[in-house]
Amino acid sequence: DQQVKQNSPSLSVQEGRISILNCDYTNSMFDYFLWYKKYPAEGPTFLISISSIKDKNEDGRFTVFLNKSAKHLSLHIVPSQPGDSAVYFCAAPGSSNTGKLIFGQGTTLQVKP
Amino acid sequence: ETGVTQSPTHLIKTRGQQVTLRCSSQSGHNTVSWYQQALGQGPQFIFQYYREEENGRGNFPPRFSGLQFPNYSSELNVNALELDDSALYLCASSRDRGLRNEQFFGPGTRLTVL
Repeated sequence: DQQVKQNSPSLSVQEGRISILNCDYTNSMFDYFLWYKKYPAEGPTFLISISSIKDKNEDGRFTVFLNKSAKHLSLHIVPSQPGDSAVYFCAAPGSSNTGKLIFGQGTTLQVKP
Repeated sequence: ETGVTQSPTHLIKTRGQQVTLRCSSQSGHNTVSWYQQALGQGPQFIFQYYREEENGRGNFPPRFSGLQFPNYSSELNVNALELDDSALYLCASSRDRGLRNEQFFGPGTRLTVL
């Protein structure tokens, strides 16, 4: 039962271009979504979040878009930099009391110089 | 401020053995969550400890157990190891329980079961 899905295992973009990472979910009760970034040999680090009452949240080069009717969210990185090369996970809350997060499978982004 | 640390970094065990993984939470944090990340998958929630009590559990069998100590560090114990237990085990600490408290992850322990 994969409630959060990232169907693209990998993405390669040129430095300076836009990176778009996609995520789909099945549970319409999710009211909050998060994106994490993970470098090799490090733990995931929080990147950006969005509440279901919004359809967009922007933080510098990173913007997350939420389409509730399609149960779809996307992370846009503009402009992409080589240091953005990492695995990106989207996540949703499994329980507000426990802080349990349900993660997607992850998308490996490679930004080429 | 020291971040979340985990030990050991890597571990190799054989089927049927038992393993203990350790996590030191970030200063000021009273909540620790444990996740299992299999190869090519996202992290899966095992359980969370809040002030030394289990506060929620994922879909893992009872042979996965944990502890949290008065200093809020935590252990994950896995008994009767199976090949499928091979994974990266991540712990995350947060200032309090509940989703709105950001979770800070450690680098993980890579467990290989042969």
